[in-house]
Amino acid sequence: TQLLEQSPQFLSIQEGENLTVYCNSSSVFSSLQWYRQEPGEGPVLLVTVVTGGEVKKLKRLTFQFGDARKDSSLHITAAQTGDTGLYLCAGPHAGGTSYGKLTFGQGTILTVHP
Amino acid sequence: EPEVTQTPSHQVTQMGQEVILRCVPISNHLYFYWYRQILGQKVEFLVSFYNNEISEKSEIFDDQFSVERPDGSNFTLKIRSTKLEDSAMYFCASRFSVAKSSYEQYFGPGTRLTVT
Repeated sequence: TQLLEQSPQFLSIQEGENLTVYCNSSSVFSSLQWYRQEPGEGPVLLVTVVTGGEVKKLKRLTFQFGDARKDSSLHITAAQTGDTGLYLCAGPHAGGTSYGKLTFGQGTILTVHP
Repeated sequence: EPEVTQTPSHQVTQMGQEVILRCVPISNHLYFYWYRQILGQKVEFLVSFYNNEISEKSEIFDDQFSVERPDGSNFTLKIRSTKLEDSAMYFCASRFSVAKSSYEQYFGPGTRLTVT
């Protein structure tokens, strides 16, 4: 069973601070996806990292895929109140009879205070 | 920008009743999925559908559940006899890519199912 563990589960910071969210597994993933989910809504895809060591930037958000493709991180620079939300990492099961079903981490609830 | 849509947004039903949750995936996508999220818990996989048949299903997806793509656009999840524990947000997702390295999935806004 492929599991994804996110840390921390809760993060409460002041506007302007930096933060990092981690997504770890003992299994190798062909890619990892990061989603953001607002209360009562569906996950919205932020980014997909595919290559070991890959770094992708989305404005103030920086995503990194570990060299061994077992972990990923999300770093937010100078957080804003609009960054408040639930951040999820997810990885696909690949190979064999799998058709890419996603395993999700438990999520990190980020609260940015003004 | 193309998006996955779901109806209804909220469904309240009595235990034992049948419900059908509807989804319209992104039009050129090939792979379709249903996930659910019980309040406060992880998003969990239910079933995947490709080439007009179920390709994979989880232990949750028992005989009470079925999926169908009745036409070229809709993708439905039916629960034949709902239980209290079926109360959850149900998300439809779709994927186009044949590139196995990415497996990007796009999610709909969800249907909140409440079983009373």
